[in-house]
Amino acid sequence: GENVEQHPSTLSVQEGDSAVIKCTYSDSASNYFPWYKQELGKGPQLIIDIRSNVGEKKDQRIAVTLNKTAKHFSLHITETQPEDSAVYFCAASYHSSASKIIFGSGTRLSIRP
Amino acid sequence: KAGVTQTPRYLIKTRGQQVTLSCSPISGHRSVSWYQQTPGQGLQFLFEYFSETQRNKGNFPGRFSGRQFSNSRSEMNVSTLELGDSALYLCASSLVGQYQETQYFGPGTRLLVL
Repeated sequence: GENVEQHPSTLSVQEGDSAVIKCTYSDSASNYFPWYKQELGKGPQLIIDIRSNVGEKKDQRIAVTLNKTAKHFSLHITETQPEDSAVYFCAASYHSSASKIIFGSGTRLSIRP
Repeated sequence: KAGVTQTPRYLIKTRGQQVTLSCSPISGHRSVSWYQQTPGQGLQFLFEYFSETQRNKGNFPGRFSGRQFSNSRSEMNVSTLELGDSALYLCASSLVGQYQETQYFGPGTRLLVL
């Protein structure tokens, strides 16, 4: 079955700097890759997603890139702010149902003031 | 529009007991999925319900079960609790659960088994 690996598990960056989180997946049939942000005491919230027919997608300070040949995708956050501190999860999906997605292990991002 | 709500938010049980968790999806959403989140295993899919029927199931033992009511509200039940069942249980809803449809998560129920 699908397996998603996520790195690093923890990341600390200076406020204003960029943060990059990387994920790899095993099943070449996967073609939908959402990213979730989970704040303390809350459930995961979708922040951006990418489909396999595009290589990059951007939404303000957040961007995601996808390399299908290498089977990896990355989340880029620029000009980081204190409110970006949270746990981020990547995920991969290829099933017909929205619920059949495999999550990465998560990255705890801390923004240093 | 109100988000996904889960009750209770916190629960303490002892081994061998059973527990029922409740999830109310966003109004109009008919697909409800359940996930278990633990530090060791991460986020794992339990099952999905749509129109009162279980449509998908993850790799969990039969002690984990669920149901969905006609108003799309869902409950999950864990019988004969084990220490390893301690986790954050998350519920997510989407319109009809179609491929690539956004799922909206609730805040979760934190279960501690002693």
